[in-house]
Amino acid sequence: QPVLTQPPSSSASPGEAARLTCTLPSDISVGSHNVYWYQQKPGSPPKYLLYYYSDSDKGQGSGVPSRFSGSKDTSANTGILIISGVRSEDEADYYCMAWPSIGAVFGGGTKLTVL
Amino acid sequence: QITLKESGPTLIKPTQTLTLTCDFSGFSLNTNRMGVSWIRQPPGKALEWLALIYWDGDKRYNPSLKSRLTITKDTSKNQVVLTLTDMDPVDTATYYCAHRPRVGAHFDPWGQGILVTVSS
Repeated sequence: QPVLTQPPSSSASPGEAARLTCTLPSDISVGSHNVYWYQQKPGSPPKYLLYYYSDSDKGQGSGVPSRFSGSKDTSANTGILIISGVRSEDEADYYCMAWPSIGAVFGGGTKLTVL
Repeated sequence: QITLKESGPTLIKPTQTLTLTCDFSGFSLNTNRMGVSWIRQPPGKALEWLALIYWDGDKRYNPSLKSRLTITKDTSKNQVVLTLTDMDPVDTATYYCAHRPRVGAHFDPWGQGILVTVSS
């Protein structure tokens, strides 16, 4: 059972923004942890996209377009991946990850469908 | 350019011990703060982190699997080895090794993965 909670599916039309969420359990504060995001297409390994801690502490994976960005909703203990201007090639599974003291934990993944 | 490649058996019987090797290039595990991790993914399911070994030999394990896991490195061969004992059909998964860079706690890049099936 994944530790982090992600909705199993999401959809967006080309050009729209997609907002994928990752809720941390109550014993892991999103305000105190980086949230990492990966993209996985069928038959391929996950690809690192970015991490987000705050607006002043964030990082983009090498070659990852700037239309992929991160955010947090601390009131909901949630990390957020935002894809601005969704393209057909963004259709994939997206996984979040965090590093609490017990080690790396992943979410169950969200399948993004581009309509 | 950093590359990693997993190798090992693709079919293993229940109760046997799985040994997987990660051959990597493009970096050295002698470098400060570098690491290599193993992550697995059952067919159609989510990612599960297994273990991590650092440049200095420090090791971290998934607490739920710690009693069954061992991770080691051979720096001279640029290899990291994972063993998982007492295999069960629920351990059927694609096993990935991945590079953990000096800066940051993410995994990048990943190997292509190896599908290991546990069946009698």
